[in-house]
Amino acid sequence: QKEVEQNSGPLSVPEGAIASLNCTYSDRGSQSFFWYRQYSGKSPELIMFIYSNGDKEDGRFTAQLNKASQYVSLLIRDSQPSDSATYLCAVRGGGFKTIFGAGTRLFVKA
Amino acid sequence: EPEVTQTPSHQVTQMGQEVILRCVPISNHLYFYWYRQILGQKVEFLVSFYNNEISEKSEIFDDQFSVERPDGSNFTLKIRSTKLEDSAMYFCASSVFDPGGADTQYFGPGTRLTVL
Repeated sequence: QKEVEQNSGPLSVPEGAIASLNCTYSDRGSQSFFWYRQYSGKSPELIMFIYSNGDKEDGRFTAQLNKASQYVSLLIRDSQPSDSATYLCAVRGGGFKTIFGAGTRLFVKA
Repeated sequence: EPEVTQTPSHQVTQMGQEVILRCVPISNHLYFYWYRQILGQKVEFLVSFYNNEISEKSEIFDDQFSVERPDGSNFTLKIRSTKLEDSAMYFCASSVFDPGGADTQYFGPGTRLTVL
């Protein structure tokens, strides 16, 4: 059974701090890795995707991938109260099926 | 900005009834997906659809479920005989690129299905 694991949280950080979200996956054949943000009662919204080992930066967000350790992370710099949401890690192999983690709840305190 | 739309936003049905959930994907997208999320649980992949056929489906997507693209714009999910455990939020998503490459899935707002 292919799994994506995330700490459920909540992760609480003060405004302006760096939030660090982590994810591990079980399938070594996974090729694509995604971070989604989901506000309560809303649909997932893609923040970033990453395919290669290393870091990928987009504005305040940095995704990090380590395929040897089967580990993906998301850093949010200068966290804002509006970043408070559940962050979903999602993983895909070579096909069409995307497997989601249960998500980490993030609270950014003003 | 183009977006995926879904109707209805909330569907209440009796156990054993058939329901059809409707989605209008983004117009130039070629790949379509259904996911479900039971309250408080993970988003779960149900099925993907490309070129008028199912490209992949999960173990959840059994004979009770079917998908169809009846015209050039709509994409539907049918549940033939609903069970209590089908109660969930159902999300439609669409994307333009091959999933093996740079694929960004855009999710619709969801249909909340309640089975009584």
